[in-house]
Amino acid sequence: EPEVTQTPSHQVTQMGQEVILRCVPISNHLYFYWYRQILGQKVEFLVSFYNNEISEKSEIFDDQFSVERPDGSNFTLKIRSTKLEDSAMYFCASSEARLNSPLHFGNGTRLTVT
Amino acid sequence: GQQLNQSPQSMFIQEGEDVSMNCTSSSIFNTWLWYKQDPGEGPVLLIALYKAGELTSNGRLTAQFGITRKDSFLNISASIPSDVGIYFCAGHHAGGTSYGKLTFGQGTILTVHP
Repeated sequence: EPEVTQTPSHQVTQMGQEVILRCVPISNHLYFYWYRQILGQKVEFLVSFYNNEISEKSEIFDDQFSVERPDGSNFTLKIRSTKLEDSAMYFCASSEARLNSPLHFGNGTRLTVT
Repeated sequence: GQQLNQSPQSMFIQEGEDVSMNCTSSSIFNTWLWYKQDPGEGPVLLIALYKAGELTSNGRLTAQFGITRKDSFLNISASIPSDVGIYFCAGHHAGGTSYGKLTFGQGTILTVHP
């Protein structure tokens, strides 16, 4: 069964450094997303992306965050200058281009900012 | 608002017992989705519900989309040890673009004793 893949599985970085989290969505999906889960808390929406532009973003997704689809298969989340509170699991997801289509999630990247 | 209240927060049951958990909201949702998350992994879709009143089964799992569109429940029958994990309800909120901005409940931690 096709799946969303994310790399790396764990990233440790120092405060103030830039990180790029990578995702390969399911190949026939056209909507891509990033969600975040702080340890022990619920999954929170960050951003949705369609047709090479952001469709919607949450208040969490401030100017430190950016997303990009650099080629036909990858979808990346960049955090420009990491803060301690950015430590979390970051999940990439994708869905078909139909309203209310269910999301399929990757296994996540655990980001630890020290 | 778009908050989902999920209960119970945790459950400790014996193998073979049935389990029930639910989510409620003060606002209307277009879809209700139930995900399971194992430690260190991403949410895996269990059941997707699209119409008010819909009752859907997936093996030992049964879920229903409430008539008011403000609630949903998930039942697991004859639990087994591999049912252990965190179960999340999630939904596409009515009135939004709903292409992927899922709102998640807080999760139900299920522990099954053999």
